[in-house]
Amino acid sequence: EDQVTQSPEALRLQEGESSSLNCSYTVSGLRGLFWYRQDPGKGPEFLFTLYSAGEEKEKERLKATLTKKESFLHITAPKPEDSATYLCAVQAEEGAGNMLTFGGGTRLMVKP
Amino acid sequence: ETGVTQSPTHLIKTRGQQVTLRCSSQSGHNTVSWYQQALGQGPQFIFQYYREEENGRGNFPPRFSGLQFPNYSSELNVNALELDDSALYLCASSFRGGPEAFFGQGTRLTVV
Repeated sequence: EDQVTQSPEALRLQEGESSSLNCSYTVSGLRGLFWYRQDPGKGPEFLFTLYSAGEEKEKERLKATLTKKESFLHITAPKPEDSATYLCAVQAEEGAGNMLTFGGGTRLMVKP
Repeated sequence: ETGVTQSPTHLIKTRGQQVTLRCSSQSGHNTVSWYQQALGQGPQFIFQYYREEENGRGNFPPRFSGLQFPNYSSELNVNALELDDSALYLCASSFRGGPEAFFGQGTRLTVV
């Protein structure tokens, strides 16, 4: 069974204080690993897809990396508007088409 | 290009009733997936539809059912509502063969 575990559950940062979020996964053949941002009461917003170990993707202050067992979302010099829940999900090579298995998320709060 | 839209945004139902939630997929996408997200947790896969047929199902009972229409829009039906069905229901559309899924804003269902 595919599993995704995210840590920490919650993270409080001061504006400008860089940090990393962790996503550990077990999957029977990884098709892709996904990062989403979710604001309260809204649907997840797609950020990145990573396909193979060693791959990195960047978008503004966010950088996602992937190894064979985990992924990190690095946040550099965060701003209050980066406050949100960040979700990690995996998609297996075998299984229901585009089915995603999600972790519980990391709730990020950035204080000015 | 239109995004994924869901209706209604909020709904209150009584235990034992039935509910239908609707989703219009993003232009060009032919696959629709439904997820349930309880408060403070990551989304859980309910099922997926491709070419108007169910193409995979998560660990949800048969009282959760769905439809996909020729225009790729979709419905989620839940019969005999239980208090634990209270959650944010998310619809995601994607292109068959493409991994990225894009989510709607969700329908908040409250069962009392």
